Amino acid sequence: QVQLQESGPGLVNSSETLSLTCKLSGDSLITYYWSWIRQTPGKGLEWIGYVYPTGHTAYNPSLKSRVTISADKSKNQFSLKLTSVTAADTALYYCARGTMVGDRWFDPWGQGILVTVSS
Amino acid sequence: EIVLTQSPGILSLSPGDRATLSCVASQSVSSSYLAWYHQKPGQAPRLLIYGASKRATGIPDRFSGSGSGTDFTLTISRLEPEDFGIYYCQQYVNSVFTFGPGTKVDLK
Repeated sequence: QVQLQESGPGLVNSSETLSLTCKLSGDSLITYYWSWIRQTPGKGLEWIGYVYPTGHTAYNPSLKSRVTISADKSKNQFSLKLTSVTAADTALYYCARGTMVGDRWFDPWGQGILVTVSS
Repeated sequence: EIVLTQSPGILSLSPGDRATLSCVASQSVSSSYLAWYHQKPGQAPRLLIYGASKRATGIPDRFSGSGSGTDFTLTISRLEPEDFGIYYCQQYVNSVFTFGPGTKVDLK
């Protein structure tokens, strides 16, 4: 059974860098694409970007200048860094497995981690 | 940027009812790139339908998806108590994934 678990600080100061990690179990990072998605009451679900284990990445243009997603195959985990955060980055952050061959979907998702940006 | 519009915003139904949820895209979407998710309070979204009409693993056959181009539909033939929650559609166009705002299915 594939499971993903997000971890990281629940509180980040404004203008600093948000860093999260997603640990994968029950599957190998060397297949599929691995995404970060966030959810807020105001904007709903927003795809942040993905990483493929080769290092190939793609980001949402709205966040591209501030986002880095990377994969660590040896630890079977991938990470998100979002720089210069503001209150607008306060959200529930999910990691998810996806595919870029044929159909496009996200399954499964992690349970999510709430990150609050403090001013 | 492509926009997904879901309707209705809220659907108040009873167990056993049929639910029909709509997802309209602002421009044509490949059916392969259209998916539906269900989210219960306090939980992550769960994949229901991908490729517009294919049920994900473990999803009961009371869930069905249809549509093409800009208009897609999720149908729940007979609502079970565990089906209440929010349903989202998702598409992939121009190298970006976007989600609709959701339809809330609640108990009448």
